[in-house]
Amino acid sequence: QKEVEQDPGPLSVPEGAIVSLNCTYSNSAFQYFMWYRQYSRKGPELLMYTYSSGNKEDGRFTAQVDKSSKYISLFIRDSQPSDSATYLCAMSRASGNTGKLIFGQGTTLQVKP
Amino acid sequence: KAGVTQTPRYLIKTRGQQVTLSCSPISGHRSVSWYQQTPGQGLQFLFEYFSETQRNKGNFPGRFSGRQFSNSRSEMNVSTLELGDSALYLCASSLGDRSNQPQHFGDGTRLSIL
Repeated sequence: QKEVEQDPGPLSVPEGAIVSLNCTYSNSAFQYFMWYRQYSRKGPELLMYTYSSGNKEDGRFTAQVDKSSKYISLFIRDSQPSDSATYLCAMSRASGNTGKLIFGQGTTLQVKP
Repeated sequence: KAGVTQTPRYLIKTRGQQVTLSCSPISGHRSVSWYQQTPGQGLQFLFEYFSETQRNKGNFPGRFSGRQFSNSRSEMNVSTLELGDSALYLCASSLGDRSNQPQHFGDGTRLSIL
């Protein structure tokens, strides 16, 4: 069983929809949580970086962490065709292994005009 | 501020050869991590360097090695290439002086093994 599970999709939504992307994890040692966006032929781009349980908002993006359920989410409001990409969740432990991120498989999102 | 730069962008090699990939981190970043990305396994951690020392290592064979220079630039070497080494190799940098600072990625080197 993988430490981080993410539904690979693909997920197709109409422009303007609210998108919900999710990851579950099994290791309670994970304390830092990230969401990356990756366009084709590009490297992952950091979207959100969170530590504590709760919500963090940045523009149209909201990251949610529920440590008790080992579940994290990324919400995209008013989705745009330019949001079409692969979204990767990543996480790391609180101490030690500072350079090691564990990634989900990525969810492919298509936003149709 | 310039981002993480990886060279070359594309590389074609044959089995048995060796290859060296280069990564220049964001100015001021002292930690460089390397990842392998494949369709089947996703993104997997190879190793991390901080202040010219390997600080962490993933579960890859010894054919995969790296180093970091005093200017924080890093190189990754793969010897005796196998078909399964075909992948996108990504480098990420962070400040690295405290735990768990965010990592920023380059656009990778796509390595194809014939």
